[in-house]
Amino acid sequence: AQRVTQPEKLLSVFKGAPVELKCNYSYSGSPELFWYVQYSRQRLQLLLRHISRESIKGFTADLNKGETSFHLKKPFAQEEDSAMYYCALTRRGSTLGRLYFGRGTQLTVWP
Amino acid sequence: GAVVSQHPSWVICKSGTSVKIECRSLDFQATTMFWYRQFPKQSLMLMATSNEGSKATYEQGVEKDKFLINHASLTLSTLTVTSAHPEDSSFYICSAPPGTGNFLDGYTFGSGTRLTVV
Repeated sequence: AQRVTQPEKLLSVFKGAPVELKCNYSYSGSPELFWYVQYSRQRLQLLLRHISRESIKGFTADLNKGETSFHLKKPFAQEEDSAMYYCALTRRGSTLGRLYFGRGTQLTVWP
Repeated sequence: GAVVSQHPSWVICKSGTSVKIECRSLDFQATTMFWYRQFPKQSLMLMATSNEGSKATYEQGVEKDKFLINHASLTLSTLTVTSAHPEDSSFYICSAPPGTGNFLDGYTFGSGTRLTVV
């Protein structure tokens, strides 16, 4: 069975502090992992996908197959990073398959 | 990039009436559309998958007769909440997978519809 777990519903940090949003998954096949972000009053948008191995807005995420984790990290949080973050997975190589979402983590960055 | 236009962005309706939500793919053809429901501060729950030219696939526990899905064309998918009740009040989001338009930006989402049933 597939499952995406985001243990923290809420996460608050001060501006300039490091931030890590946790994501663990279980999937019987080969997964492709994503982080989506939803800013206030905006639609969900893609932040990162693990196969791209890129850094977007200072965020990075490494897929750890041994720990089945895909934690999102940023060394210095900014106020504009405050948003809802969703970890999601689909079957690797699938272009028409559904996404499985975690429950989301609301990140608040205080000035 | 690919854009999915979702309308209306919000709607208030009386209990017992029906509400239609539309999602249009603006610059690509969407053969598949996912319909999600999102409760406040919670995750997105997949309700059903619509496929152009065939019947929609519903997730377990979702009432087919209550949430009617139609994928009339390659650019339009609709969700109709029939005989709406207050417990149907929620945020509904549509999403097209990347394979529908061969875009590499991942899944694209509509802006969502806030439904309030009074």
